[in-house]
Amino acid sequence: ETGVTQTPRHLVMGMTNKKSLKCEQHLGHNAMYWYKQSAKKPLELMFVYNFKEQTENNSVPSRFSPECPNSSHLFLHLHTLQPEDSALYLCASSQEQITGELFFGEGSRLTVL
Amino acid sequence: GESVGLHLPTLSVQEGDNSIINCAYSNSASDYFIWYKQESGKGPQFIIDIRSNMDKRQGQRVTVLLNKTVKHLSLQIAATQPGDSAVYFCAERTGGYQKVTFGTGTKLQVIP
Repeated sequence: ETGVTQTPRHLVMGMTNKKSLKCEQHLGHNAMYWYKQSAKKPLELMFVYNFKEQTENNSVPSRFSPECPNSSHLFLHLHTLQPEDSALYLCASSQEQITGELFFGEGSRLTVL
Repeated sequence: GESVGLHLPTLSVQEGDNSIINCAYSNSASDYFIWYKQESGKGPQFIIDIRSNMDKRQGQRVTVLLNKTVKHLSLQIAATQPGDSAVYFCAERTGGYQKVTFGTGTKLQVIP
């Protein structure tokens, strides 16, 4: 148990569907992240939120829409995805300190049909 | 959590032997380096880190070596155990604590 919980663990959706991934951290951290892990590439940083404010958007297509209502919760809203978006989506959190230690959830495995 | 389909370098090690996993990083401005372990079905887990002003750091059964001259990082695992079987990622931090970039990973297989 890492203190970062992601739901759902598995999601299958069609290209016209709208779904959301949820992440919750119980560690009191101030920063939260979305990473994408696909079969063809290394872990890719998508978004960073620090104290609920988005501080990084790594050129992510607009069909991915993040939401961070508070420092403990992070959502990734999905709409009109493509099959190539199928991947493991990992949420992470960190304290606001000068280290690189990220605490990851177990991920949400997304399949787009 | 496994990188299914990704052609990962694989290191096979006999149980009890030492393992050395290597990583080349790209950005000479990176100030912090981290090793993560990812077991099947799980997210990456922090193992050990090292600042750019150091060349060696030791943890419990693990040692990280940093060679900034050739931009090379290595993770040494002493007395490798079956539970060490996983994919290992090196990561570098550039431009502040939020910009952590991961390498492609190395799969470690421990032979009982």
